[in-house]
Amino acid sequence: EAQVTQNPRYLITVTGKKLTVTCSQNMNHEYMSWYRQDPGLGLRQIYYSMNVEVTDKGDVPEGYKVSRKEKRNFPLILESPSPNQTSLYFCASSYADEQYFGPGTRLTVT
Amino acid sequence: GENVEQHPSTLSVQEGDSAVIKCTYSDSASNYFPWYKQELGKRPQLIIDIRSNVGEKKDQRIAVTLNKTAKHFSLHITETQPEDSAVYFCAASIKGFDGYALNFGKGTSLLVTP
Repeated sequence: EAQVTQNPRYLITVTGKKLTVTCSQNMNHEYMSWYRQDPGLGLRQIYYSMNVEVTDKGDVPEGYKVSRKEKRNFPLILESPSPNQTSLYFCASSYADEQYFGPGTRLTVT
Repeated sequence: GENVEQHPSTLSVQEGDSAVIKCTYSDSASNYFPWYKQELGKRPQLIIDIRSNVGEKKDQRIAVTLNKTAKHFSLHITETQPEDSAVYFCAASIKGFDGYALNFGKGTSLLVTP
């Protein structure tokens, strides 16, 4: 089954404790992206990757890092999480048109 | 960069009525306009899309229209049903050869009451 997976689905952490949210797709898509969703603000792009070893900033990259060492995986790294990064995070991948979204990761930073 | 405005932010209709959601975009180079539906607690899913060389596209009860000159596009849902209740997002992008970056509107929360 074609899918995008994310882990963990829910995470509560404390300020400053490094964390990684994993994203994996099995559709051999070259394009992958991370979004955060906040009430009233819609979906905002954090980082995207056009291919392996190629990443670029989206609209709200501050406080985040990504890597793309292999085509299927695109982890999102928060080196020092802060409360303003409490949000719902979606990973997505695409080849041509439709972006396929992962199930989302709800992150709370206290 | 591209700026997408979406209106209204909330919309309540009675079952069987039509619903219209409107979006405007700023970058005249944008050439791909998808609409996503997000049910409560779920991921966004594509429901319909349109490219800049087409003025209208229809799929059963949903349709999208595009006015390139005015830089706006709209989602039309006819004969609404309670299961249409969800948040709808429009987006605009410049379609590249290897994927693209979607710029989303802030979303419209649609409630269809029986």
